[in-house]
Amino acid sequence: TQLLEQSPQFLSIQEGENLTVYCNSSSVFSSLQWYRQEPGEGPVLLVTVVTGGEVKKLKRLTFQFGDARKDSSLHITAAQPGDTGLYLCAGPLIYNQGGKLIFGQGTELSVKP
Amino acid sequence: DSGVTQTPKHLITATGQRVTLRCSPRSGDLSVYWYQQSLDQGLQFLIQYYNGEERAKGNILERFSAQQFPDLHSELNLSSLELGDSALYFCASSVASVGLYNEQFFGPGTRLTVL
Repeated sequence: TQLLEQSPQFLSIQEGENLTVYCNSSSVFSSLQWYRQEPGEGPVLLVTVVTGGEVKKLKRLTFQFGDARKDSSLHITAAQPGDTGLYLCAGPLIYNQGGKLIFGQGTELSVKP
Repeated sequence: DSGVTQTPKHLITATGQRVTLRCSPRSGDLSVYWYQQSLDQGLQFLIQYYNGEERAKGNILERFSAQQFPDLHSELNLSSLELGDSALYFCASSVASVGLYNEQFFGPGTRLTVL
């Protein structure tokens, strides 16, 4: 059973379209991180959200943490081919021992020119 | 560049063999984490060390072991290798052991292929 469920798993869109990726759980997380990973490379941290209801913007990317800290979303406005990659949400459970991150299975995004 | 270095980049070996993967954390980071990424399981936490001591353990096989040295670099040892151990192995580092903003930065990974 996946503790963090990401949807959709695959997304193929045209340049200029908007999209939203969801990350859901029945468990409470201390915080949520979003990473982007290119093939054969390590995940790159995009943002960390900590407070329930928090919204963070990074240029065309908007991240939101759910009020109950069980879910998060990533919205991309006017997607570009450079946004192509694997998007991963991850977080430490509230009752974690240590800094272990639980990862979602990822959303594979392809933006066609 | 995250500042986390991993060697080697690629490793090809045979079943039954033993390999060692090496990780150097970002300057100033005391925690090192090891993760395994496979197509069917995604990214799975293996183990965490903080300032030389084991801090948290995931579903790490008994055939796998790790340690963190006084200079804070870490090694992951994989023994009696099986075909199913083929995967990407990532090391990550962070400043602290826990905390709301204890962000983890990942290295480029080691691709292990067991033939």
